[in-house]
Amino acid sequence: EIVLTQSPGTLSLSPGERATLSCRASQSVSSSYLAWYQQKPGQAPRLLIYGESGRATGIPDRFSGSGSGTDFTLTISRLEPEDFAVYYCQQYGSSWTFGQGTKVEIK
Amino acid sequence: QVQLVQSGPEVKKPGASVRVSCRASGYSFTGFYIHWVRQAPGQGLQHMGWINPINGVTNYLQSGVTLTRDKSINTAYLDLSGLGSDDTAVFYCARSAWLQTPLDSWGQGTLVTVSS
Repeated sequence: EIVLTQSPGTLSLSPGERATLSCRASQSVSSSYLAWYQQKPGQAPRLLIYGESGRATGIPDRFSGSGSGTDFTLTISRLEPEDFAVYYCQQYGSSWTFGQGTKVEIK
Repeated sequence: QVQLVQSGPEVKKPGASVRVSCRASGYSFTGFYIHWVRQAPGQGLQHMGWINPINGVTNYLQSGVTLTRDKSINTAYLDLSGLGSDDTAVFYCARSAWLQTPLDSWGQGTLVTVSS
């Protein structure tokens, strides 16, 4: 099973700042099969980014994904108040696994 | 619009069984896989398995889990048996177009509480 490790566990930033979230895989994952989700308290996860750099419907362009092999990054260029949430990476190339999540909190 | 609507919260005693339903609307039910994802209180997401609504083929890892569907009413089901206190969690259904595509739409989640 491919294990995804996200870092940091918590990211404390202010609105307007740039957020960089990391997702490291225990073995190589095709970038075509890596996704990022956002989850707010009491809500279901929402698909943000998938594949090479696709954005799900309605996702603003301040969200972007990059990476290859075992190292992937979600970048939020300028944090808006509604972006403070927990973010999960997921691989779906070999079975389905999620990272443990990164919480982006207001500093 | 695409919707996955799940059944309401459940409270069960240890050893009991529970069924969670996921009703799809706004798209062709047989055109997308349905997945089930577990989230224990304060924890992360755990993929449990999937079902292909066209033919009922399933893949899931845990014992005590059964995935079924009823095409006539566009509904998928998650059955959990032999519940233990560590089964307390929110269960989500979600869809994907294929097995190697992301989960692009999610149900609202169903809280199952196991308590004596």
